[in-house]
Amino acid sequence: AQSVTQPDIHITVSEGASLELRCNYSYGATPYLFWYVQSPGQGLQLLLKYFSGDTLVQGIKGFEAEFKRSQSSFNLRKPSVHWSDAAEYFCAAPDFGNEKLTFGTGTRLTIIP
Amino acid sequence: DTAVSQTPKYLVTQMGNDKSIKCEQNLGHDTMYWYKQDSKKFLKIMFSYNNKELIINETVPNRFSPKSPDKAHLNLHINSLELGDSAVYFCASSQDGTSGVDTQYFGPGTRLTVL
Repeated sequence: AQSVTQPDIHITVSEGASLELRCNYSYGATPYLFWYVQSPGQGLQLLLKYFSGDTLVQGIKGFEAEFKRSQSSFNLRKPSVHWSDAAEYFCAAPDFGNEKLTFGTGTRLTIIP
Repeated sequence: DTAVSQTPKYLVTQMGNDKSIKCEQNLGHDTMYWYKQDSKKFLKIMFSYNNKELIINETVPNRFSPKSPDKAHLNLHINSLELGDSAVYFCASSQDGTSGVDTQYFGPGTRLTVL
């Protein structure tokens, strides 16, 4: 079965600083990969997704992610965070057979002034 | 103009009661899902329906029963509520969920507290 690992449970970043959230997946030579964001008290919203092609994917709200097959990683980045980016971030990948999404355990992002 | 809506937003109830959560999507999607998010934010799929047919049924107690009267609605009924059922339940939909690669659109969640 697919497993998605987000090694960082909680990250604190100063407003204006750069951000990188880590994600590793276990299964799939050419995986489909997603990043979702959950703002406090809200449902999840898709930030970006990778299916194939260019390994650097642009998403909404100024986020991007890079797929690295050699490292089985799909890390999320933003060059300059805003206070409104404080949220929970989830990486996800479909399970074997692509029937359902497996989510990572999430990374909580705190922004300090 | 809410794409995926859930009612109620909060639900507080006693152990042993039966309760339902309703979900509606106006996106014209074929597939709908129920997820459970526990207190540690871990998100796990429970069920999914494609055009009113059950396609994913994870290992959940049979006290949980989903019902899809039409493809725009997916309700979740829970019998004999237990303390461990306390969680946030999310409904989601996607255009074609027969493959897990479709973008899923989530509702705002229902926070269930069992006392």
